[in-house]
Amino acid sequence: SAVISQKPSRDICQRGTSLTIQCQVDSQVTMMFWYRQQPGQSLTLIATANQGSEATYESGFVIDKFPISRPNLTFSTLTVSNMSPEDSSIYLCSVVMFAGGDGYTFGSGTRLTVV
Amino acid sequence: AQTVTQSQPEMSVQEAETVTLSCTYDTSESDYYLFWYKQPPSRQMILVIRQEAYKQQNATENRFSVNFQKAAKSFSLKISDSQLGDAAMYFCAYRRLTGNQFYFGTGTSLTVIP
Repeated sequence: SAVISQKPSRDICQRGTSLTIQCQVDSQVTMMFWYRQQPGQSLTLIATANQGSEATYESGFVIDKFPISRPNLTFSTLTVSNMSPEDSSIYLCSVVMFAGGDGYTFGSGTRLTVV
Repeated sequence: AQTVTQSQPEMSVQEAETVTLSCTYDTSESDYYLFWYKQPPSRQMILVIRQEAYKQQNATENRFSVNFQKAAKSFSLKISDSQLGDAAMYFCAYRRLTGNQFYFGTGTSLTVIP
């Protein structure tokens, strides 16, 4: 299975600023996803990162707030824009080698605290 | 929409004993996947066990087994001979057969008592 490196592992940010989270995979993967895990909550899918095109966002998430890039098959970024304390969460990258496949891997996440 | 419910926010078990974590889900589909993931303090999501809904046989992985009751939409995880390293948050998850999105429950925090 793929190995994911997610950076930063944690950060404390001022409200109104933006943070970009990186997800680097050690092998080419077909699909990359971004999840949010709010304190004491489950994981919620933010969007699917598409190579060479705009990400596909789930209901409740918009590109202006969570712009996503995926320049190639091994790398993606998620930006949390104009942050507020409500954005304090763990953000996780997830990948799968092949669409419809079963080898999903999750990164260890970025713990974001907005003050 | 698919929903996954874990009604036990916290559970504890004595080392070497057996514990069962509960999970129910709601779906109108007949074929799908169910998963149990473990999330230790490192936050790494680790796949514990996976079940295909079209398989009647319950999945087993070493000390981990499931009780899959399709009609009742129940998917419980049994951990036998609990070890200290089993302490973690456990998430039940659902995924459609032809899709990539996981629907996760709210998790059960498992404590293993030495």
